[in-house]
Amino acid sequence: EAGVAQSPRYKIIEKRQSVAFWCNPISGHATLYWYQQILGQGPKLLIQFQNNGVVDDSQLPKDRFSAERLKGVDSTLKIQPAKLEDSAVYLCASSQDGSPLHFGNGTRLTVT
Amino acid sequence: AQTVTQSQPEMSVQEAETVTLSCTYDTSENNYYLFWYKQPPSRQMILVIRQEAYKQQNATENRFSVNFQKAAKSFSLKISDSQLGDTAMYFCAFIFQGGSEKLVFGKGTKLTVNP
Repeated sequence: EAGVAQSPRYKIIEKRQSVAFWCNPISGHATLYWYQQILGQGPKLLIQFQNNGVVDDSQLPKDRFSAERLKGVDSTLKIQPAKLEDSAVYLCASSQDGSPLHFGNGTRLTVT
Repeated sequence: AQTVTQSQPEMSVQEAETVTLSCTYDTSENNYYLFWYKQPPSRQMILVIRQEAYKQQNATENRFSVNFQKAAKSFSLKISDSQLGDTAMYFCAFIFQGGSEKLVFGKGTKLTVNP
């Protein structure tokens, strides 16, 4: 089966600019997750979707981060405006009915 | 709230030897899963092994095995016959079944296998 696809692989932007990341989960996986992984730390959940509804976005900085999952398949995560502390790897994952999460390769964001 | 603690930021082992990575967790729940994920420099999180809390038998996956001590809330990973390709970050993770199914990670252990 095809894995979780993410793009872009790398992104460098200046602070106060905006950026968007895209994720295509494994076909049929109802649950989609966005994680933020700052260098030297474990991934932290930003938002979790079940189909196209939000299950948990308690750790999403909603003043600058937004995410959507139209039609319950692909998802985009946007940051506007970016701050230096947003530099991290953004991981997308998907799962189905409690199965282990499958992760994409992530997008490494550098904010200068 | 569930928390996962990995007390070893870095470890190293000689090729072909055995190494054990530690993990403890804190939860008041009874039904949950524990995982070990491997993250090589490619950044992709790769599932190494999974343990259901209701199972007393320790999970084993080829050279990887766990020592699951439910009462002590401990979940260590043993890697036997270490290979150079095992060099990576290893993350212990917890998920509570029945809630929002949010996977909570520890901070990771950087494992280096030396030739």
